[in-house]
Amino acid sequence: GAVVSQHPSWVICKSGTSVKIECRSLDFQATTMFWYRQFPKQSLMLMATSNEGSKATYEQGVEKDKFLINHASLTLSTLTVTSAHPEDSSFYICSARGLAGVTDTQYFGPGTRLTVL
Amino acid sequence: AQSVTQPDIHITVSEGASLELRCNYSYGATPYLFWYVQSPGQGLQLLLKYFSGDTLVQGIKGFEAEFKWSQSSFNLRKPSVHWSDAAEYFCAVVPNDYKLSFGAGTTVTVRA
Repeated sequence: GAVVSQHPSWVICKSGTSVKIECRSLDFQATTMFWYRQFPKQSLMLMATSNEGSKATYEQGVEKDKFLINHASLTLSTLTVTSAHPEDSSFYICSARGLAGVTDTQYFGPGTRLTVL
Repeated sequence: AQSVTQPDIHITVSEGASLELRCNYSYGATPYLFWYVQSPGQGLQLLLKYFSGDTLVQGIKGFEAEFKWSQSSFNLRKPSVHWSDAAEYFCAVVPNDYKLSFGAGTTVTVRA
């Protein structure tokens, strides 16, 4: 149980285009989903927290107009990187937390490798 | 400042030998504590977690961790390492809010 999927697993795009990444909790309902960014050989940095039916909460320094997050249902959150540039190339990982809230474990997706040319 | 520290950036261990990964945190109260493992190009897998109760926590893949309040530590251990344990290990905490805060990670290399 507690499986989180991400799609696509990798994507290459041209500079200036937009890319959408999906995060799904396959066998549980997730009121909260999180989006992280990870650079090579570095730890995960939280970008934003996504709650179903409400606006995402972004961490300091993360541009909300560039990284659009939509949490339309209890099993799906999407991250859209708008007008992507090479510096946006990174490994994006989502996680989902179940209905128990803070004491519930975050389960992570397999990640999406974004390369912007 | 609140933080999670993993003092060892890289550890090399022989297959069959024991492994200990250190994790220290600095928060006002005892947070929720986690250890995750990440294989190259993959997401994170939860090894174990501590919320309260018994300070020695058993996890998957033969890992265990011990919470020591007096040392603000949550070190991860495995008695006998397998080659498949080579990966990146992250200690993480959830302090008084709901956000996971990660340490910098420790890379484990297993030699034959």
